[in-house]
Amino acid sequence: GDSVTQMEGPVTLSEEAFLTINCTYTATGYPSLFWYVQYPGEGLQLLLKATKADDKGSNKGFEATYRKETTSFHLEKGSVQVSDSAVYFCALSVNKIIFGKGTRLHILP
Amino acid sequence: NAGVTQTPKFQVLKTGQSMTLQCAQDMNHNSMYWYRQDPGMGLRLIYYSASEGTTDKGEVPNGYNVSRLNKREFSLRLESAAPSQTSVYFCASSDASFGTLRNTGELFFGEGSRLTVL
Repeated sequence: GDSVTQMEGPVTLSEEAFLTINCTYTATGYPSLFWYVQYPGEGLQLLLKATKADDKGSNKGFEATYRKETTSFHLEKGSVQVSDSAVYFCALSVNKIIFGKGTRLHILP
Repeated sequence: NAGVTQTPKFQVLKTGQSMTLQCAQDMNHNSMYWYRQDPGMGLRLIYYSASEGTTDKGEVPNGYNVSRLNKREFSLRLESAAPSQTSVYFCASSDASFGTLRNTGELFFGEGSRLTVL
């Protein structure tokens, strides 16, 4: 069945460090891919998405590229801030959304 | 601009008690969802409603029932709570109809309801 695998956390970085959170997927058909973010005490919100191969989603300095050949959608940011501390979920959608288990990110000042 | 509103935000139950989690959205969305979030498990779909008047099971429906009361409201009921149902519950809605969710994928989430079953 369809599934999403993302790197386990927690991930701890210093402010201004480079961030990568790995995400790979398995899906029948041609899924759309997403990153959602959950800030402490809140629900999830969409961070970025890509709907076809080679598309790049971007928002708030975060980027992810839909790589069909490697079935991946890794999240990157060039310089993280303390305010980026949150849990990040990779997800795919064919006809319903399937979430990964989430990666907790801690940014130290 | 309320979005998706869930009540209650916190609840403690004893094993065997029943309760209903309420969810309402003011975005005129067609589809609504109930997820549970457990440490190390991500989000798992309990039930969903593709449109008013329809409901279907998700990954983990056992022990739960739902009602799509109207287009705005989608409630989740625990008839006889068990400790395994201790979790954080999220309601979500989308303007995409089920089957076309891949075209937008944007789910709008409530703030969550933390349920503890003793």
